[in-house]
Amino acid sequence: GAVVSQHPSWVICKSGTSVKIECRSLDFQATTMFWYRQFPKQSLMLMATSNEGSKATYEQGVEKDKFLINHASLTLSTLTVTSAHPEDSSFYICSARDVISYEQYFGPGTRLTVT
Amino acid sequence: EDQVTQSPEALRLQEGESSSLNCSYTVSGLRGLFWYRQDPGKGPEFLFTLYSAGEEKEKERLKATLTKKESFLHITAPKPEDSATYLCAARPEGANNLFFGTGTRLTVIP
Repeated sequence: GAVVSQHPSWVICKSGTSVKIECRSLDFQATTMFWYRQFPKQSLMLMATSNEGSKATYEQGVEKDKFLINHASLTLSTLTVTSAHPEDSSFYICSARDVISYEQYFGPGTRLTVT
Repeated sequence: EDQVTQSPEALRLQEGESSSLNCSYTVSGLRGLFWYRQDPGKGPEFLFTLYSAGEEKEKERLKATLTKKESFLHITAPKPEDSATYLCAARPEGANNLFFGTGTRLTVIP
């Protein structure tokens, strides 16, 4: 089956530092990847849509300068949380859409804790 | 406005007690209704995609159905390992992304 990986699975960083999260589609190609944020016991909130070779599209209220997204290849997208603050602590989940089947598969998530 | 609503918010079942989860949607031109399973601290796991009213799909103890206004996830004779949050999502016409419901937290008691 289609597999999406995320790295790291969890990270603790100090306030003011930057953190990069990688999302890879392992056995399929994805021209479109999505980044979500999820708070405890809540559903997924779409942050941005990442398109291979072009700029990401951010949802309303999401700061593009704070959450930098790069989708440089058909199998890799990265999310960099810049100048992280404690309120950025959350569960970040990426998703990749298979270019052939159009099905959307999710990664295992990255737990970010900012101290 | 595109919207997806799931009910109930939480459901407790005895092992073997069959039930259904509901997902109501109002989207412009549905281009897919998706069901995912999410375990605590993990990403959603893809279960089914339904595209047209009347369509049904099955996988082990789960069966998903779709009408023009809602989708049901039927769970037959559930086991404790079926305990998870089940998420429903809809893709409207012309949209790139999915609109998610808030999920149903299922607990199956041995």
